[in-house]
Amino acid sequence: DIQMTQSPPSLSTSLGDRVTITCRASQSISTYLDWYQQKPGKAPKLLIYAASDLQSGVPSRFSGSGSGTDFTLTISSLQPEDFATYYCLQTYSTPLTFGGGTKVEIK
Amino acid sequence: EVQLVESGGGLVKPGGSLRLSCEGSGFIFTNAWISWVRQAPGKGLEWVARVRNKRDGGTTDYAAPVKDRFTISRDDSRDTAYLQMNSLKIEDTAVYYCTTLGRKPWGQGALVTVSS
Repeated sequence: DIQMTQSPPSLSTSLGDRVTITCRASQSISTYLDWYQQKPGKAPKLLIYAASDLQSGVPSRFSGSGSGTDFTLTISSLQPEDFATYYCLQTYSTPLTFGGGTKVEIK
Repeated sequence: EVQLVESGGGLVKPGGSLRLSCEGSGFIFTNAWISWVRQAPGKGLEWVARVRNKRDGGTTDYAAPVKDRFTISRDDSRDTAYLQMNSLKIEDTAVYYCTTLGRKPWGQGALVTVSS
C-alpha cells in the first residue's frame, strides 16, 4: 500500500499569508495526486487534480506542484474562507490513500 | 445540476447490516467510476471501495478493513450505486460519502452509527 505523509498536521496563520502544505508518497505516484479542502460538517471539495491542474471555479491563489513522491499545495494569500482542513489523495493504485490532513487555523 | 445523493444511513447494532445508496443526476452515470469514502467522528478521510464503469469491466476494489464484509455494486438503469455493509463493527461508525473522485461534487454524506 502507498502511504501518504502530509505535513504539517496543523498550522496557525494570518490573513494574507502564503501557506504551503506538503505530501510525500512512500513510492512514486507520477502525478496521480489530488488536493481537497474540507470545512466542518461539509463534504470535501476538489481543489487540484493531477498534481497541478486547478479545478474549475477554484480561485487562482491555490496552486499545486510536484511529481513522483513529493507534492505541494500552495495558497498564495490566505483569505477568510480558506480556513479549513486540507487533504491530499493518491489515485495511482488501490487502496487509494489520503494524507492525514492539515488544519489551517487563524493565528 | 450535477449531484450525488446518499441515503440509507442509520443506527445499527454490532454484527448488523445496512445498505447505503448513492443516486447520481446531471451527468452520465454509466460512465462514472464510483467510490465510497468514510470519515469517522473527528478523524480524517478513508477510502472504502470503488466500482468501475461497465465499459472498464465493472470490477471492484476494497480497503483492507472492509474487504469480505462490504460489497459495492451499481445499477446503471437506476443511476445508483450501493454499499452493502455486513458484520458491522463499532469502528465502522462514520459519515459515508459517495464520490466519483473526479471533478464532480461529492454527496452530502450518510451517517452510519454502529452501537449497542
